[in-house]
Amino acid sequence: GEDVEQSLFLSVREGDSSVINCTYTDSSSTYLYWYKQEPGAGLQLLTYIFSNMDMKQDQRLTVLLNKKDKHLSLRIADTQTGDSAIYFCAESQGGADGLTFGKGTHLIIQP
Amino acid sequence: DSGVTQTPKHLITATGQRVTLRCSPRSGDLSVYWYQQSLDQGLQFLIQYYNGEERAKGNILERFSAQQFPDLHSELNLSSLELGDSALYFCASSAGTGFYEQYFGPGTRLTVT
Repeated sequence: GEDVEQSLFLSVREGDSSVINCTYTDSSSTYLYWYKQEPGAGLQLLTYIFSNMDMKQDQRLTVLLNKKDKHLSLRIADTQTGDSAIYFCAESQGGADGLTFGKGTHLIIQP
Repeated sequence: DSGVTQTPKHLITATGQRVTLRCSPRSGDLSVYWYQQSLDQGLQFLIQYYNGEERAKGNILERFSAQQFPDLHSELNLSSLELGDSALYFCASSAGTGFYEQYFGPGTRLTVT
C-alpha cells in the first residue's frame, strides 16, 4: 500500500538552512505536497510539486524531487524561529483520492 | 485563516455516545475532505464529498459516516464512540476534484472519556 516516511525530528541553528526529507512508495504518486502545522493550528499548504518536475523554488523554500528514488525534500533557507513547526510530506494521485501523509517532522530551531 | 470553518473546536464526550462535527468549506469550493489526526495513526484520510456526492473513501470506520448538504457544508457523524476515537478531526476543502489545493480548517479536538 501507500506509505510516506519522514524522520521525526530535525534540529537546526537559526540562520542555517533546514532540509526535511521524505520518501514515498507509490510510484503512481502524481502530486507531492509539503504542509506546515504550528502548535494548536490546522495544516497550512506550503508548496507542492508535480511528479514531472525535478525542482520548485518559492522564496525561501526549495523542493527537490527524485522520482527514481521516490525521494522528496524541502529546503528552508535562512531558518527563523517562526519556522518552528511540524512539517508534513503528503502525496496523492489526483482524481478523487485524499492525501496520504507522513508522520511529520518536528523542526526545532536553536538560537 | 484558510476560510474553512469547523465547529465545535473542542468536544468531550463519553464512550458509547454519538457526536456530529460540522465543516463549512471555503466559498466556492465544491469538495470537502475529512481527516483524523491521532498520535498513533498520524493523519489519515477518512472520506471525500464532491458537490453533495461521496467521492472517495479512506480509512473510515463503519461507525463513522458523513454527508454534504446542498449548501455544501458537511457533517461527520461518529457513533458508538470508543476511547481510541479521541483525536483531532480536520476538514479540508478544494475547488474540485483532481489537482486542486486542499485548504484545512482549524480542526475539532474530540476527547472520549
